Amino acid sequence: AQTVTQSQPEMSVQEAETVTLSCTYDTSENNYYLFWYKQPPSRQMILVIRQEAYKQQNATENRFSVNFQKAAKSFSLKISDSQLGDTAMYFCAFMKIQGAQKLVFGQGTRLTINP
Amino acid sequence: EAGVTQSPTHLIKTRGQQATLRCSPISGHTSVYWYQQALGLGLQFLLWYDEGEERNRGNFPPRFSGRQFPNYSSELNVNALELEDSALYLCASSFSHAKQETQYFGPGTRLLVL
Repeated sequence: AQTVTQSQPEMSVQEAETVTLSCTYDTSENNYYLFWYKQPPSRQMILVIRQEAYKQQNATENRFSVNFQKAAKSFSLKISDSQLGDTAMYFCAFMKIQGAQKLVFGQGTRLTINP
Repeated sequence: EAGVTQSPTHLIKTRGQQATLRCSPISGHTSVYWYQQALGLGLQFLLWYDEGEERNRGNFPPRFSGRQFPNYSSELNVNALELEDSALYLCASSFSHAKQETQYFGPGTRLLVL
């Protein structure tokens, strides 16, 4: 079974700073997907970024980028030039390519961006 | 393009009753997933439907069930409600599972069992 661990329950930074959220996972699969989702106080879960394990290049989406270390089973999210609207719960998630298409989520990191 | 929609937004039931939650996927999506987000338990996978069939279920008792309609919308039914069923229920949709597509989430239904 796959597990996803987010070791930072809460983080807080000032607006415009850069922040990195950590995620580690455990799997015996070689091919899989990793995701970061954000859940603002309005509670709608929004996709932030997706990484395919077979791609060595780290995914980026505007101010959001990941540091994917497959051997270390690490998948951190970096938010550059943080904005007040980035305040949310951030969930790291894993999905196998073969078989059940379910997402396995970490416990989440509550990120607060302060003005 | 409309996103995933869920109804109702809030639902209050008493222990022992049945709850029915509804989800409409993004147009063109054929897979629907249900997740439970309970306090202290995080996000747990409940059910996956694709092309009208139940493809997989999580570690939940049989009183959690559902179905997918020909238009790919879905219902989640929870029978014999228990207090610990109180949670946010999230629905997600994606293109056919054969494409291993990203799941997009709806706003959720908050179920409170008294």
